[in-house]
Amino acid sequence: EAQVTQNPRYLITVTGKKLTVTCSQNMNHEYMSWYRQDPGLGLRQIYYSMNVEVTDKGDVPEGYKVSRKEKRNFPLILESPSPNQTSLYFCATRLGGRAFFGQGTRLTVV
Amino acid sequence: SQQGEEDPQALSIQEGENATMNCSYKTSINNLQWYRQNSGRGLVHLILIRSNEREKHSGRLRVTLDTSKKSSSLLITASRAADTASYFCATSNYGQNFVFGPGTRLSVLP
Repeated sequence: EAQVTQNPRYLITVTGKKLTVTCSQNMNHEYMSWYRQDPGLGLRQIYYSMNVEVTDKGDVPEGYKVSRKEKRNFPLILESPSPNQTSLYFCATRLGGRAFFGQGTRLTVV
Repeated sequence: SQQGEEDPQALSIQEGENATMNCSYKTSINNLQWYRQNSGRGLVHLILIRSNEREKHSGRLRVTLDTSKKSSSLLITASRAADTASYFCATSNYGQNFVFGPGTRLSVLP
């Protein structure tokens, strides 16, 4: 089954404690992306990757890092999380005109 | 920059009624997609309409696209309680990232 898998699904952490949200896909898609979703703001793109070792900033990249060392994985790294990064995060792949989303990671930074 | 804007922000209807949601965008596109999101979960692709198409159907879904007005509509006919969700439009142009609107929250009352 075609899947985009994110872990963890829920995470509560403290300000400044580094964390990584993993994303893995089994569809061999070249394009992967991270979004955050906040009430009233829709989905905003954080980073995207067109292929292995190729990453670019989206609309709201500040405070985030990504890496793409292999095609299937695209982890999102928060080096020093702050409360304004409390949000619902989605990883997605894309093929042609269609996006495939993971199930989401709800992050709370206290 | 936000491209798609859904309208209305929220919509409540009775089961069996039709639900219409609209999406406006600002720049040229090569396709427009509609997605559905159940509360707090990942977005699921519903339908894609290309810029050279004016109307597309999929089951109880009907999507129209008017490129001259830069707008699209999603019609859900004979709505069911299970259609309760948020609906998002997303636009993309060749080689560029998808841009999502803030969504329409649909409530279908039994």
